[in-house]
Amino acid sequence: EPEVTQTPSHQVTQMGQEVILRCVPISNHLYFYWYRQILGQKVEFLVSFYNNEISEKSEIFDDQFSVERPDGSNFTLKIRSTKLEDSAMYFCASRDPGQGGEQFFGPGTRLTVL
Amino acid sequence: AQSVTQLDSHVSVSEGTPVLLRCNYSSSYSPSLFWYVQHPNKGLQLLLKYTSAATLVKGINGFEAEFKKSETSFHLTKPSAHMSDAAEYFCVVTSGTYKYIFGTGTRLKVLA
Repeated sequence: EPEVTQTPSHQVTQMGQEVILRCVPISNHLYFYWYRQILGQKVEFLVSFYNNEISEKSEIFDDQFSVERPDGSNFTLKIRSTKLEDSAMYFCASRDPGQGGEQFFGPGTRLTVL
Repeated sequence: AQSVTQLDSHVSVSEGTPVLLRCNYSSSYSPSLFWYVQHPNKGLQLLLKYTSAATLVKGINGFEAEFKKSETSFHLTKPSAHMSDAAEYFCVVTSGTYKYIFGTGTRLKVLA
C-alpha cells in the first residue's frame, strides 16, 4: 500500500541553523501539506501546496519557513534560522482530490532545537 | 470558520467496558470529519471518516462514530475497550480549502 515517507525521523540542530525536512508524498497525489505538533499540544496546520505554489498558509508559517517541490517526488519544508520554539514533530501529508478530503500522513520528523 | 472541540482531555475506562470520546464541530457548510489515533511516539493513523454518506461510520479496530448534524457532534465509540486502545485521539474537521483543523485531543487510558 502506498504511503507517505519522511526523513529524517529525528533532527537535532542548534538555534539559528537552517534545517530541511523531507517528505515523499504518495505518487499520484496533487495536494501536499505540512503540520506541526509541539510536544503535548494539538496538531497545527502550517501550509498547503498545490500546482507548485502555496495555496494556503497559517500565521505560524512566517518568512522563516518555505516549502518546495524540487522534483517530481520530494516535498520539503525549510526553516531558515531555527528557534527553540520550532522544536516539534512535523508531519507531512498528501491528498488525492478524488478521495473525499482524506489526507495521508507520514510518520513525522521530530525536530529538536538546542 | 470551522472548528472542533473535544470535550474531554482525558478519559479512563476499564478494559472490556465501552469507550465514548466526544467531539463537537462548527462548520458553515457540510463538513468532512475524521478521527485519528496517535500512539506514543508514533504518527497519525486514520480510524474512520465521514464524508456526507452514511451518518454511522464504522472504522478500524471496532471503532465507530455517528454524525449528528442537529447536535453538531461526531462522537467516537467502541463497545469494548482493549489495552491496545490506550492512545491519543484527535477529531478533525476539514475547512473549505481542505486543510485539517484538529481538536486538542483526548488521551484514552485503559485500566486492567
